[in-house]
Amino acid sequence: DAKTTQPTSMDCAEGRAANLPCNHSTISGNEYVYWYRQIHSQGPQYIIHGLKNNETNEMASLIITEDRKSSTLILPHATLRDTAVYYCIVRVVENYGQNFVFGPGTRLSVLP
Amino acid sequence: DGGITQSPKYLFRKEGQNVTLSCEQNLNHDAMYWYRQDPGQGLRLIYYSQIVNDFQKGDIAEGYSVSREKKESFPLTVTSAQKNPTAFYLCASSAGGRFGSDTQYFGPGTRLTVL
Repeated sequence: DAKTTQPTSMDCAEGRAANLPCNHSTISGNEYVYWYRQIHSQGPQYIIHGLKNNETNEMASLIITEDRKSSTLILPHATLRDTAVYYCIVRVVENYGQNFVFGPGTRLSVLP
Repeated sequence: DGGITQSPKYLFRKEGQNVTLSCEQNLNHDAMYWYRQDPGQGLRLIYYSQIVNDFQKGDIAEGYSVSREKKESFPLTVTSAQKNPTAFYLCASSAGGRFGSDTQYFGPGTRLTVL
């Protein structure tokens, strides 16, 4: 089972910031939070990841709470091309594998 | 898609036939993965390989087989034993490493339809 909880869907106006929340209350100290997105019928695209500090790259910002039990992905100026399903994932290490558990994600619709 | 190719993009198979999906990467990554995605669902892990000549079952390995004879290639065979093979199949790779940050990069996917 996925170790994260996300809203099923969200809307955002074009040009505004999109804030996508994720709860991961059982995260352990050495687990990273990853965000991917998937546009219909394409492979998931990596966005950003973090451990405990806030992170920013050319695509988005990741804000992780101090207790690490939740995080928020921020798309600062959403465009129509940002319409996609967004996955929040906690990296689970099992044996010597690297199992990424993908839940159903949040369907973000950017509206004109 | 970052140097990961999957072929073909669409694949049709008759019931009872085995079919092999191709996945190649030129990222020099040690680890490779196969996921299955059903409509409206998240991804589920089928098999993964941390290194050449070694692979492990994921959550839904029944009815599937893999090989990892070369670092850059990780083909997936969907056998006739797989009860519901119609799905979108995604291959991914990562640099590897047991702990710490390790990002997976995905291919464009193969949509398999059983007729």
